[in-house]
Amino acid sequence: DARVTQTPRDKVTEMGQEVTMRCQPILGHNTVFWYRQTMMQGLELLAYFRNRAPLDDSGMPKDRFSAEMPDATLATLKIQPSEPRDSAVYFCASATRQGADTQYFGPGTRLTVL
Amino acid sequence: AQSVTQLDSQVPVFEEAPVELRCNYSSSVSVYLFWYVQYPNQGLQLLLKYLSGSTLVKGINGFEAEFNKSQTSFHLRKPSVHISDTAEYFCAVSDEYNQGGKLIFGQGTELSVKP
Repeated sequence: DARVTQTPRDKVTEMGQEVTMRCQPILGHNTVFWYRQTMMQGLELLAYFRNRAPLDDSGMPKDRFSAEMPDATLATLKIQPSEPRDSAVYFCASATRQGADTQYFGPGTRLTVL
Repeated sequence: AQSVTQLDSQVPVFEEAPVELRCNYSSSVSVYLFWYVQYPNQGLQLLLKYLSGSTLVKGINGFEAEFNKSQTSFHLRKPSVHISDTAEYFCAVSDEYNQGGKLIFGQGTELSVKP
């Protein structure tokens, strides 16, 4: 049963610290999405990649957030420095190329910045 | 630009009653429409999707949705809900011209099924 995995599942950190979240997409999926979910804003698309190249990162605060795909099996989202307003659940999802394809979501990383 | 509006933020319902979760979208091109479900402390999973063809789409767990192009709606229905259907439901839209299958999500509807 192929699944998207995310680590860590929970992260508590202090303001100013660097946070790295990792995602392993489903093998064979070449499109990876990063979302952020909060009570106030709902589900927001931060960035997405196809074949490891960024297609759109307009939803991401550029000064502190960065997203990369070092290889086809790993996507990372970094926040440096972290702030309390970054507290949220961060989801990774993967899909194949087609626009009509289903996105498969990971279980999420719950980030709390104190 | 595309947008999705879920008309109800919360829907309380008794077990075995029917339910309808409403979704309206706006788009200038042909669209693909999706319903996802999120159970507590989990990621989203697909319930059903409309790509083309029959406007009535059946999904998992007894849910179905009807695409209405003239009313730009894609409402989700279930004739008899169970306690286990308690979750948050998201409507989403994509289009055939959009690069990479980017989805635009609604704000979500929290379905609460009471015994």
